[in-house]
Amino acid sequence: QLQLQESGPGLVKPSETLSLTCTVSGGPISSSTYYWGWIRQPPGKGLEWIGSMYYSGSSYYNPSLKSRVTISVDTSKNQFSLKVSSVTAADTAIYYCARGTSDFDYWGQGTLVTVSS
Amino acid sequence: SSELTQDPAVSVALGQTVRITCQGDSLRTYYASWYQQKPGQAPVLVIYGKNNRPSGIPDRFSGSSSGNTASLTITGAQAEDEADYYCNSRDSSGYRHFFGTGTKVTVL
Repeated sequence: QLQLQESGPGLVKPSETLSLTCTVSGGPISSSTYYWGWIRQPPGKGLEWIGSMYYSGSSYYNPSLKSRVTISVDTSKNQFSLKVSSVTAADTAIYYCARGTSDFDYWGQGTLVTVSS
Repeated sequence: SSELTQDPAVSVALGQTVRITCQGDSLRTYYASWYQQKPGQAPVLVIYGKNNRPSGIPDRFSGSSSGNTASLTITGAQAEDEADYYCNSRDSSGYRHFFGTGTKVTVL
């Protein structure tokens, strides 16, 4: 059974960089069948797609976040990562990692990241 | 356009049928997928493609589409179906996703 687990700091200071890692177990991350994505959800609000990375190495980002976001993959560790730079309080959210086939069929449990000094 | 509009909330009597709609220009090109999210839990994919259910999703969930509107129908709603539901589609590139505004379903 495929499992995804987010990890990273739960508290980030304003203007700093938020960094999260998603560890994939139960299946290879290096498969052309899948893509890997990040989605976030501010407390009490809806879902927001952040970006996705494909086996080819191509990455696609939400236009509203594109200038601040980077997604990368480490196949040796079966992990993929998210970096969001210059964070503000508006970046406070539960961050989910997910596997995509046609759509996001497996999700991590999510991790809350709070931006505060 | 990368906007998907959903009704904020709907209610349904136990055992009855409820339809949740999602409107957006991208739905003329791409099928919507639908996610169920219960409080404190990660979203779960319930419908994808034309009308496909992942393994383990009850057959009371079904999807349909017409023009710029996609629908998720729950036929014979159960208490455990009470949740937030989000539609999802892609922009013209086919690679950038975006979610609908979400619908809270209450089972009475």
